[in-house]
Amino acid sequence: KAGVTQTPRYLIKTRGQQVTLSCSPISGHRSVSWYQQTPGQGLQFLFEYFSETQRNKGNFPGRFSGRQFSNSRSEMNVSTLELGDSALYLCASSFRTGGEYEQYFGPGTRLTVT
Amino acid sequence: SQQGEEDPQALSIQEGENATMNCSYKTSINNLQWYRQNSGRGLVHLILIRSNEREKHSGRLRVTLDTSKKSSSLLITASRAADTASYFCATTNDYKLSFGAGTTVTVRA
Repeated sequence: KAGVTQTPRYLIKTRGQQVTLSCSPISGHRSVSWYQQTPGQGLQFLFEYFSETQRNKGNFPGRFSGRQFSNSRSEMNVSTLELGDSALYLCASSFRTGGEYEQYFGPGTRLTVT
Repeated sequence: SQQGEEDPQALSIQEGENATMNCSYKTSINNLQWYRQNSGRGLVHLILIRSNEREKHSGRLRVTLDTSKKSSSLLITASRAADTASYFCATTNDYKLSFGAGTTVTVRA
């Protein structure tokens, strides 16, 4: 089975712009979670989608949003980018919802905001 | 805020030695998972231990869980250079994964 894929792998944006990141889960996985990783805050949960519904949300401002499509692919959007949004954004898929089973992570998208 | 806290923050060992790292958490959990990350790349799932289990093995990995102390440990035996990575514990609570800050392990040849 192909693993979790994320596109793009690297991205440079300027403050105030918006960005959309994409994640394709492992075939058959219906849960997709997003995490932000920074040196200061570590790995933080953004949100989880299961069968096109947001099941859980972390403590992030409304500028961070996402969605999941009927084929389980997911997108994450960050509007009005700030310097502090520079991070590695990781997507993970799982067969079941809610972190009860192992999650399979993609390679991440490295976002740099200048 | 992070649920789990790993100790030590960094560990340097000689190839062939064992590496032990600990994870403490704050609230009750459904399960605890360990992940490995190589140099800013994606995380790789290592092992999952459920709250009613005390010990689990997978190859050279041994994980223990003590729910009364709210702590877990990961032991890597006979370490190899390829084990150089950051290791994270993650707890599942309220259907969300919360990660600790991680332990960076360096295995010297």
